[in-house]
Amino acid sequence: DAGVTQSPTHLIKTRGQHVTLRCSPISGHKSVSWYQQVLGQGPQFIFQYYEKEERGRGNFPDRFSARQFPNYSSELNVNALLLGDSALYLCASSFRESYNEQFFGPGTRLTVL
Amino acid sequence: ELKVEQNPLFLSMQEGKNYTIYCNYSTTSDRLYWYRQDPGKSLESLFVLLSNGAVKQEGRLMASLDTKARLSTLHITAAVHDLSATYFCAEGGATNKLIFGTGTLLAVQP
Repeated sequence: DAGVTQSPTHLIKTRGQHVTLRCSPISGHKSVSWYQQVLGQGPQFIFQYYEKEERGRGNFPDRFSARQFPNYSSELNVNALLLGDSALYLCASSFRESYNEQFFGPGTRLTVL
Repeated sequence: ELKVEQNPLFLSMQEGKNYTIYCNYSTTSDRLYWYRQDPGKSLESLFVLLSNGAVKQEGRLMASLDTKARLSTLHITAAVHDLSATYFCAEGGATNKLIFGTGTLLAVQP
């Protein structure tokens, strides 16, 4: 079975632009979470979606938004990009909404110039 | 504020030596995860510790959990170069939101 997949692998944007990152969970997994990992730090929780509903949001500005589709794939959108948004964005999937091990995708490396 | 602290932040070891990475967390969660991350790569799950006193071993790595002390340890036995990576612990409780530690960069020298 395929693991969690993410696209694109790398992305370069300029300040003020908008970006959309995509994630496909492991088949059968209904929960998708997004994390931001700035270089040299641990991942920070951004969002969790379960059954197409937002179940949790981390301490990120409203420029960050996400959604989950009927096939359980997910998009993370970031508007008005800042230099500080440069990071590795990780998607994780799990079968249940809570108390469940999460499996991480390869990540999308976003560079904002 | 929920916090997960790891120490040391950087660990340089010689091959064949033993060492322990410590993870302190601030919540009453009884669920603790350990991940490995190679440079530029994603997170690889190493251990899931689900209850007080849990101990798990895989190869040269052994993880344990003490929920009363809010402490988890990752013990490395007879280190080899292939273990060089960054190791993260993460606390996860009633939700799927993981709170990660600062990470420990492990460099095993021949």
